[in-house]
Amino acid sequence: RKEVEQDPGPFNVPEGATVAFNCTYSNSASQSFFWYRQDCRKEPKLLMSVYSSGNEDGRFTAQLNRASQYISLLIRDSKLSDSATYLCVVDPMNTGFQKLVFGTGTRLLVSP
Amino acid sequence: NAGVTQTPKFRVLKTGQSMTLLCAQDMNHEYMYWYRQDPGMGLRLIHYSVGEGTTAKGEVPDGYNVSRLKKQNFLLGLESAAPSQTSVYFCASSYSNPSGLAGGDTQYFGPGTRLTVL
Repeated sequence: RKEVEQDPGPFNVPEGATVAFNCTYSNSASQSFFWYRQDCRKEPKLLMSVYSSGNEDGRFTAQLNRASQYISLLIRDSKLSDSATYLCVVDPMNTGFQKLVFGTGTRLLVSP
Repeated sequence: NAGVTQTPKFRVLKTGQSMTLLCAQDMNHEYMYWYRQDPGMGLRLIHYSVGEGTTAKGEVPDGYNVSRLKKQNFLLGLESAAPSQTSVYFCASSYSNPSGLAGGDTQYFGPGTRLTVL
């Protein structure tokens, strides 16, 4: 089983739609979780960290479900500019040093 | 701030040739990383460094060497390139102690180097 698994998509949605991605992780001891965004042929950039209580940043909401070992990302009112690949990232060791494990990404395409 | 920069941006090598990829960061980060990204696979850690003069192996270190002689620079070397090393290489950096720092748990990535080995 992969340490971090994501549906590769693509998710094709119209502008204004709400879309959600899930990601599962295998190491139950993992403590730190992140969503990164990667545009085509660009570097990954942190979108948001995922806290136990969940967190929201504008149109983006991230949640953590430790019992089922998954994290989710919800995007409301999708924009064309949201088209990208979203990487689920886990720090399985929680050593303070970020030896991150990256998922393969979920591709989102937002159309007019 | 330039952030994290990488040189070169593109390179084509023949099997057996050697090259060095340079990563530089101006954020005074202690930690630096080299990843490779291949289609259908997540970013995989090649080597990392927790400070000047120290390096360690990541998930896929074979065929690569690294050096961190200065805090701001992290070099990745390929001594004898192989077609299996065709990939996009990303360098990243981060703080050593993210607690309490805004964005402290962020890894900042460079723009990548696209390497083709023929």
